[in-house]
Amino acid sequence: AQSVTQLDSHVSVSEGTPVLLRCNYSSSYSPSLFWYVQHPNKGLQLLLKYTSAATLVKGINGFEAEFKKSETSFHLTKPSAHMSDAAEYFCVVSNSWGKFQFGAGTQVVVTP
Amino acid sequence: SQTIHQWPATLVQPVGSPLSLECTVEGTSNPNLYWYRQAAGRGLQLLFYSVGIGQISSEVPQNLSASRPQDRQFILSSKKLLLSDSGFYLCAWSVTDLYGYTFGSGTRLTVV
Repeated sequence: AQSVTQLDSHVSVSEGTPVLLRCNYSSSYSPSLFWYVQHPNKGLQLLLKYTSAATLVKGINGFEAEFKKSETSFHLTKPSAHMSDAAEYFCVVSNSWGKFQFGAGTQVVVTP
Repeated sequence: SQTIHQWPATLVQPVGSPLSLECTVEGTSNPNLYWYRQAAGRGLQLLFYSVGIGQISSEVPQNLSASRPQDRQFILSSKKLLLSDSGFYLCAWSVTDLYGYTFGSGTRLTVV
């Protein structure tokens, strides 16, 4: 069985400050992990993915995430938030059968 | 390159009316196809997935159905819509778990 928990439903940051979105997972297998972003009334866009290569993964728009097996975590970070980063973010875990489990999402608000 | 098309973008339907949402994928063969629903304030709920023509797996019992008449076509249907069917519907495709999903742009369905 696999599951994913996004620890914060809402995160509010000031423009130019760091962003941290927390994600913990459980999986019986070596998982693949993903972060997606969804802007209002849009589809989901892949930010980055971890597939058992480098544990520090760099994605689009300045985001990166670190896979920590000992902590079963895959937290998403960005050093400096931009107004355009305001969106909902989903952490996703998949198993070898191609089944994907989505987290509940984290809504990010960026204030000027 | 691979692309995914989903239409319509928005739809307002009366209770009891039928529904047909279509999703097509280009640039790949034998993709895994998925329908998700995102209700207001809630995460993504997997409705159906398909690993091949005519092969449909249902994740949640409901008055919706799905069909895959062609390799790269996935249709979500209902004979009689309910108010609770309102939401944002997303089609997605994947090849393997290593690459994650590619999502369509979504359909906002409002049942009135």
